[in-house]
Amino acid sequence: KAGVTQTPRYLIKTRGQQVTLSCSPISGHRSVSWYQQTPGQGLQFLFEYFSETQRNKGNFPGRFSGRQFSNSRSEMNVSTLELGDSALYLCASSWTGENYGYTFGSGTRLTVV
Amino acid sequence: QQQVKQSPQSLIVQKGGISIINCAYENTAFDYFPWYQQFPGKGPALLIAIRPDVSEKKEGRFTISFNKSAKQFSLHIMDSQPGDSATYFCAASRYSSASKIIFGSGTRLSIRP
Repeated sequence: KAGVTQTPRYLIKTRGQQVTLSCSPISGHRSVSWYQQTPGQGLQFLFEYFSETQRNKGNFPGRFSGRQFSNSRSEMNVSTLELGDSALYLCASSWTGENYGYTFGSGTRLTVV
Repeated sequence: QQQVKQSPQSLIVQKGGISIINCAYENTAFDYFPWYQQFPGKGPALLIAIRPDVSEKKEGRFTISFNKSAKQFSLHIMDSQPGDSATYFCAASRYSSASKIIFGSGTRLSIRP
């Protein structure tokens, strides 16, 4: 079966712009989580959506937001981009949010210049 | 208190040897400890996980040892193979909010043929 699909794979944006990343979970998975991966901070939890509702949230500023659609697809938006937002953004999905069931996508590499 | 400390940062092991990666945590509320494997260009993949009610879990060549009193856990890779070369992350979470995974900083493992 298809895995977690993230689009686009690579993105270059200018400081101050906004960006939207997309994640299509594995069919039937209702929980989608987003993580930021950087060399300096490692993997950090952004937020989780379950049945179109944000269920958990990490410690990121309000410039980072997300949403989930009725088909479980999720989008993440970052407004007013800063150079420090350059990172690999990973999406993970599972049936209901249990840790053991999480499958990660290959990520979107965002570069802010 | 939310941190998971991982060591070493990098590790080189000869083919056939034992690779050992160590992690420590502070938050006693954590009750789920997974290990993830990440290859370049890919997202992390769940390798093996343990709950604190057992001291050891083995799956093939991979073993987690868990010391609840010391708040430490480790990954042992027996008979290490070149295909095991990857970055390994220990992690912790509360099963009740399993999506919020706290990751260690990662260990880059290289297996020399």
